[in-house]
Amino acid sequence: DADVTQTPRNRITKTGKRIMLECSQTKGHDRMYWYRQDPGLGLRLIYYSFDVKDINKGEISDGYSVSRQAQAKFSLSLESAIPNQTALYFCATSDYGGGRNNEQFFGPGTRLTVL
Amino acid sequence: DAKTTQPNSMESNEEEPVHLPCNHSTISGTDYIHWYRQLPSQGPEYVIHGLTSNVNNRMASLAIAEDRKSSTLILHRATLRDAAVYYCIRLAGSYQLTFGKGTKLSVIP
Repeated sequence: DADVTQTPRNRITKTGKRIMLECSQTKGHDRMYWYRQDPGLGLRLIYYSFDVKDINKGEISDGYSVSRQAQAKFSLSLESAIPNQTALYFCATSDYGGGRNNEQFFGPGTRLTVL
Repeated sequence: DAKTTQPNSMESNEEEPVHLPCNHSTISGTDYIHWYRQLPSQGPEYVIHGLTSNVNNRMASLAIAEDRKSSTLILHRATLRDAAVYYCIRLAGSYQLTFGKGTKLSVIP
């Protein structure tokens, strides 16, 4: 079984709809992240969480919100989806190793299309 | 601003070594260099990281220049499965991976 899972894997929705993307992990990591990838570009950080009570904005948080329901679960919401939020969304996790060498483990991605 | 510079694309023949360059001329003394790769239709996966010394693991080797302004990821024998986008990342904090556009590696059978 995959260590980091994302649901749904694909979603098509309409402008103005509320959408929730879910991420679960079985690695026992405290840190979880949401990234967005646009075609031909690298990933950009949306939000991150270092533990259940911790939520932090990343580079591009406008239009998004998150919820850390448990150590293993981190959800990303689009309150009112717009077409330029069409992208590939990745969840990732990492442990805290006390230094700058923490490997991040990525899920398979959710492809979101907003019409 | 990814603060690293990589060629947009490279080609390699199968079973030959591949050297993927990365320029990070503004790197500070405590920034780590991380490499991730993204296979088609998958999330990124960690490859290797280093600070000052050259590093080896089962996937690749990382050669870091003495002045740390550049580094090279070395795949010793490219396979078709190594065809991916390779990202060189300068890690300035304990978590913030800033991805650029990376280098798209094509492996020719």
